[in-house]
Amino acid sequence: DADVTQTPRNRITKTGKRIMLECSQTKGHDRMYWYRQDPGLGLRLIYYSFDVKDINKGEISDGYSVSRQAQAKFSLSLESAIPNQTALYFCATSDFVVAGYNEQFFGPGTRLTVL
Amino acid sequence: ILNVEQSPQSLHVQEGDSTNFTCSFPSSNFYALHWYRWETAKSPEALFVMTLNGDEKKKGRISATLNTKEGYSYLYIKGSQPEDSATYLCAFWVGSNYKLTFGKGTLLTVNP
Repeated sequence: DADVTQTPRNRITKTGKRIMLECSQTKGHDRMYWYRQDPGLGLRLIYYSFDVKDINKGEISDGYSVSRQAQAKFSLSLESAIPNQTALYFCATSDFVVAGYNEQFFGPGTRLTVL
Repeated sequence: ILNVEQSPQSLHVQEGDSTNFTCSFPSSNFYALHWYRWETAKSPEALFVMTLNGDEKKKGRISATLNTKEGYSYLYIKGSQPEDSATYLCAFWVGSNYKLTFGKGTLLTVNP
């Protein structure tokens, strides 16, 4: 079984709809991240969480919100989806021991299309 | 804003060729440099995490070097194989930012 799972894997929705992307991990990591990938751009950080009570905005958080329901679960919500939020979304986790020294483990991605 | 630059943007090589690509990053406040390999339709997977100036790491036919004083890292692939075809991402960690900043990647295609 995969250590980092994302649901759904693919989603098509309409402008204005609220949508939630979910991420679960069995690695026991404290740190979780949401990224989006657009063609021609690098992975860009949307939100990150160092533990259940510590949630931080990344570089492109406008239009998104997150919830860290438990150590193992980190959800990303688009309150009112718009077409330029069409992208590939990745969840990732890392251990806490020495932050930047630890590799990140990525989920399989969610391909979101907003019509 | 931290910029991580990768070059070239894409690269086509023949099977058996050796190749290398570059990641450039700000040399101040360096904390760690990550390399990830991202195959189409899969998730990015870590290759190396490098933290010390002069670091050299190797995994099979892939190796990487790090120069933190001048702000660059090289990734080398010896004897490229078609299964090496992927996008190679580097990412820079600044301790005060507590997050990774990714480059746009180098897309490697190895032709049989």
